[in-house]
Amino acid sequence: DAKTTQPPSMDCAEGRAANLPCNHSTISGNEYVYWYRQIHSQGPQYIIHGLKNNETNEMASLIITEDRKSSTLILPHATLRDTAVYYCIVRGGGADGLTFGKGTHLIIQP
Amino acid sequence: ETGVTQSPTHLIKTRGQQVTLRCSSQSGHNTVSWYQQALGQGPQFIFQYYREEENGRGNFPPRFSGLQFPNYSSELNVNALELDDSALYLCASAPGGRTGNEQFFGPGTRLTVL
Repeated sequence: DAKTTQPPSMDCAEGRAANLPCNHSTISGNEYVYWYRQIHSQGPQYIIHGLKNNETNEMASLIITEDRKSSTLILPHATLRDTAVYYCIVRGGGADGLTFGKGTHLIIQP
Repeated sequence: ETGVTQSPTHLIKTRGQQVTLRCSSQSGHNTVSWYQQALGQGPQFIFQYYREEENGRGNFPPRFSGLQFPNYSSELNVNALELDDSALYLCASAPGGRTGNEQFFGPGTRLTVL
C-alpha cells in the first residue's frame, strides 16, 4: 500500500499557484519525498524530491514540514499543460521501486 | 541525449500466449525498472535490474520475468497471459543501483489481452 495520502482531485486557475498537499505520517528518517506527474497517455515525469529541507527547481517547489509528516508541492504559475495526475511518493534508498498511490488529478482551468 | 524508448507502442494478445516487451534506457543509465499500470490506477512496481541482475521485485508472480543486456537495454517477458494483464507497461531508467535517484520513464507499451 502507498504510504501517502493525497486528495483525489483539485482545480486551479491558470496563472495562479497550484498547491498540492500530501500526508506521509509514517515516513522513516531515511526516506525521501518524491513527486512525479503523469500527463494523460504518457509515462510519469519526475518533478522534484527532498529529505527535510525545502527544495526548488525550474519546475516546482517542495515544502516539507518540520516533523516531515506532510509536504506541499507548489507549481508557482500553473498553465493548462500542468493538467495531470500528481503522485507523492516516499522512498528510501533501496531497490524496491516507486510505490504509486492514486495521486491527485490537478485540473488547470482557463 | 536520447530518452527512454519502448517497443512496441501497442500490442494485442490472446489469453495463454506469451509476450516480450522491450526498453532502451537513457544514455548513461545502468538501472532499469518495469511497472504495470492498470486503467485508472497508479503504476505498480514489477522489478528492477542493475548491471544485468534483478535486484528488486514487487508483488508479481514468476511468469513475469526480465532480462537486462550489457548495453543496459531490457526486456519484460510475460508467460501464460491472463485477461488482467491488460495494462500499460512502463519502463524507467536511472543512474546508479540502489540509490534513490530519480527515474526517467518511457512512454509505455499498451498491452491488451483478449
